[in-house]
Amino acid sequence: DAGVTQSPTHLIKTRGQHVTLRCSPISGHKSVSWYQQVLGQGPQFIFQYYEKEERGRGNFPDRFSARQFPNYSSELNVNALLLGDSALYLCASRRDPLAETQYFGPGTRLLVL
Amino acid sequence: DQQVKQNSPSLSVQEGRISILNCDYTNSMFDYFLWYKKYPAEGPTFLISISSIKDKNEDGRFTVFLNKSAKHLSLHIVPSQPGDSAVYFCAASAATSGTYKYIFGTGTRLKVLA
Repeated sequence: DAGVTQSPTHLIKTRGQHVTLRCSPISGHKSVSWYQQVLGQGPQFIFQYYEKEERGRGNFPDRFSARQFPNYSSELNVNALLLGDSALYLCASRRDPLAETQYFGPGTRLLVL
Repeated sequence: DQQVKQNSPSLSVQEGRISILNCDYTNSMFDYFLWYKKYPAEGPTFLISISSIKDKNEDGRFTVFLNKSAKHLSLHIVPSQPGDSAVYFCAASAATSGTYKYIFGTGTRLKVLA
């Protein structure tokens, strides 16, 4: 079975631009979470979605938004990019919000210049 | 306020010996703990987990110990192999509003020397 997939793998943007990152969960998994990982830190929770509804939100500004589609894939959108948004963005999937274990994709590395 | 702490940023161990990675947490509401391994340019890979109702869980070379009174967990790798060289993250979670939310530590870089 395919694992969590994310696209693109790498992305370079300039300050003020907008970016959209995509994630496809493991087949049968209906919950998707997004994390930001900056160098030297652990993943920081951004959003969780389940059945197209937001189930959790971390401490990130409103420039960050996400959505989940009927096929359970998800998009993370970041507006008005700042230099500090440069990070590895990770998507994780699990069967449902109360499944205790989640599985990560390879991530999208975003560089904001 | 860091609720999950990995105080050792790095650890070096000889091949064949035991690697012990430590993690401390502050929130007594956490009831499920996980360890992930991360290689460069890859996403974290799930290794092993433990529920707060247990104090030990084993999976092959990997054992996780949980000491609830000390709010401490550790990952033991025996025997350590060069392929175990990676960054290890511990994560803690609690069921909140119908979902599990995960808090990650900052990671420990393990280097297994051949």
